[in-house]
Amino acid sequence: SQELEQSPQSLIVQEGKNLTINCTSSKTLYGLYWYKQKYGEGLIFLMMLQKGGEEKSHEKITAKLDEKKQQSSLHITASQPSHAGIYLCGADGAGFQKLVFGTGTRLLVSP
Amino acid sequence: DADVTQTPRNRITKTGKRIMLECSQTKGHDRMYWYRQDPGLGLQLIYYSFDVKDINKGEISDGYSVSRQAQAKFSLSLESAIPNQTALYFCATSDSGGGNNEQFFGPGTRLTVL
Repeated sequence: SQELEQSPQSLIVQEGKNLTINCTSSKTLYGLYWYKQKYGEGLIFLMMLQKGGEEKSHEKITAKLDEKKQQSSLHITASQPSHAGIYLCGADGAGFQKLVFGTGTRLLVSP
Repeated sequence: DADVTQTPRNRITKTGKRIMLECSQTKGHDRMYWYRQDPGLGLQLIYYSFDVKDINKGEISDGYSVSRQAQAKFSLSLESAIPNQTALYFCATSDSGGGNNEQFFGPGTRLTVL
């Protein structure tokens, strides 16, 4: 079965600093989804990547898909306290019928 | 109003009790999912349903059952709750005609089994 490993598991950055979160798959990635979860709340969809080399940006968050490495990265530029939360990657599972999720990266942004 | 709602939002119960968590959606999606989230373990799929007559077990279905009462409603039951079922439970929906597997999540139900 497909597994997704996220690194780091947790991260504390100073406000204004840049950071990167990685998501590595044990199998070929066909679709990769990034979600953000505020502590104790539901998941909010950030973006989806489907093609190798694809890169998408939304405000100060950029995600890339490296199909050959079976990896995606999420980069936040000039972090703000509003970026704090848990970031989860999800990938299309077998038969493209469901998503498999990573274990999440917990981000704290200090003033 | 929220597109995917879950009730209750919080529940404390005792070992052995039967519990039902409910999920409703107004998105018109045909697919619905139940996940649980434990600290450090991400999201684990419990059950999923692709339409009213199609229900499938996920990774961790033991101890749980589901009912798809209508396209918009998908409930999760714990027949006899046990402490290790204490977790945050999420319902999600997706559209099979959407061209991808983007899922829309409810706000979650925090369940504590004493």
